[in-house]
Amino acid sequence: GAVVSQHPSWVICKSGTSVKIECRSLDFQATTMFWYRQFPKQSLMLMATSNEGSKATYEQGVEKDKFLINHASLTLSTLTVTSAHPEDSSFYICSARILGKGTEAFFGQGTRLTVV
Amino acid sequence: AQSVTQLGSHVSVSEGALVLLRCNYSSSVPPYLFWYVQYPNQGLQLLLKYTSAATLVKGINGFEAEFKKSETSFHLTKPSAHMSDAAEYFCAVSDLTNGGSQGNLIFGKGTKLSVKP
Repeated sequence: GAVVSQHPSWVICKSGTSVKIECRSLDFQATTMFWYRQFPKQSLMLMATSNEGSKATYEQGVEKDKFLINHASLTLSTLTVTSAHPEDSSFYICSARILGKGTEAFFGQGTRLTVV
Repeated sequence: AQSVTQLGSHVSVSEGALVLLRCNYSSSVPPYLFWYVQYPNQGLQLLLKYTSAATLVKGINGFEAEFKKSETSFHLTKPSAHMSDAAEYFCAVSDLTNGGSQGNLIFGKGTKLSVKP
């Protein structure tokens, strides 16, 4: 089956620093990648949708200057949390859809971000 | 607008008992419906999906779900629970009829399944 690899699986950083999270589709080309945020014991909230080669579409309330998304190729999207603060601590998950097969999204294993 | 409601944030069953996790959806267009499972500190794994074919959908690990348009439901069931089924389960809806270019998922709040020995 299709595999989405997310890296790192966990990261601890100091307030004010930036953190980059990578999402790679290992054995397929992903036209669209989605970034979600999950608070403890809550559901996944869509942050943004990114299409290869174009700017990401952010959901209402998500700061695009804080959560920078780059989708440079059909197999890689990155989320950079800039000037991180403790309230950014969360579980971030990416997903990707296969080019030409639109119904199913494949999820990465998630990244646990802790800002201290 | 689409939405998903999962009744019961926590369901507890005994090993070997029937598992029933409820999901109701709201959609103005024919929906695509999904059930995902999430183990602690991990991503989501697809259990099954409904994409307008057969209304009874069989998935992995013995799970199945039935799409009932009249009830706007897509409940997840498994005849006999196993200890390894203990996890968080999410129901999701996707609208791929709007040009098919996006199709982001809208998730329910999740149901935590506990299995007692």
